Amino acid sequence: DSGVTQTPKHLITATGQRVTLRCSPRSGDLSVYWYQQSLDQGLQFLIQYYNGEERAKGNILERFSAQQFPDLHSELNLSSLELGDSALYFCASSAPGYGYTFGSGTRLTVV
Amino acid sequence: QKEVEQDPGPLSVPEGAIVSLNCTYSNSAFQYFMWYRQYSRKGPELLMYTYSSGNKEDGRFTAQVDKSSKYISLFIRDSQPSDSATYLCATASGSRLTFGEGTQLTVNP
Repeated sequence: DSGVTQTPKHLITATGQRVTLRCSPRSGDLSVYWYQQSLDQGLQFLIQYYNGEERAKGNILERFSAQQFPDLHSELNLSSLELGDSALYFCASSAPGYGYTFGSGTRLTVV
Repeated sequence: QKEVEQDPGPLSVPEGAIVSLNCTYSNSAFQYFMWYRQYSRKGPELLMYTYSSGNKEDGRFTAQVDKSSKYISLFIRDSQPSDSATYLCATASGSRLTFGEGTQLTVNP
């Protein structure tokens, strides 16, 4: 157990729908990162939050949004889902000097 | 040009071999260097973390960073079948972590 918890582990939904992925960072970590990993691509950075505030944005689609709550857990919202959004979505948290710790991911399948 | 280049392999070696995995990066602003291991699309697991040029050793694993040539390596000694996984190099500048494509390693018993 890495200490980063992601739910749900698997999600199957239809095109056009909206889903929410949840992440609880490792205890004490203020930064949360979201990554997407498709079958034919590496890990793509989506967005980072630090202590409730958006800190950095990567290749995140406008249909996607995220937030970090006062208890530091984060949610990634994916809307108007398309087949190409099927991927593994990972959350990571970090603390200075300790690298980035990843959760076990949410496998999203859009049908 | 990708910011981090990594040979995707696949790489197949016999048990007990020394494995060398390599990456190059283009952005001299990268300050931190990491190696992750990922089994069958599970969450990446941090193996090594360093921020300076030189070698860092942890058990059978040695990470090497050469900032002058923008080259990072991971050496695995006495490789085991359980080391079979995808290995990803990663670099960071500020808050963003940039990954290589990953090298798929198979260690044959």
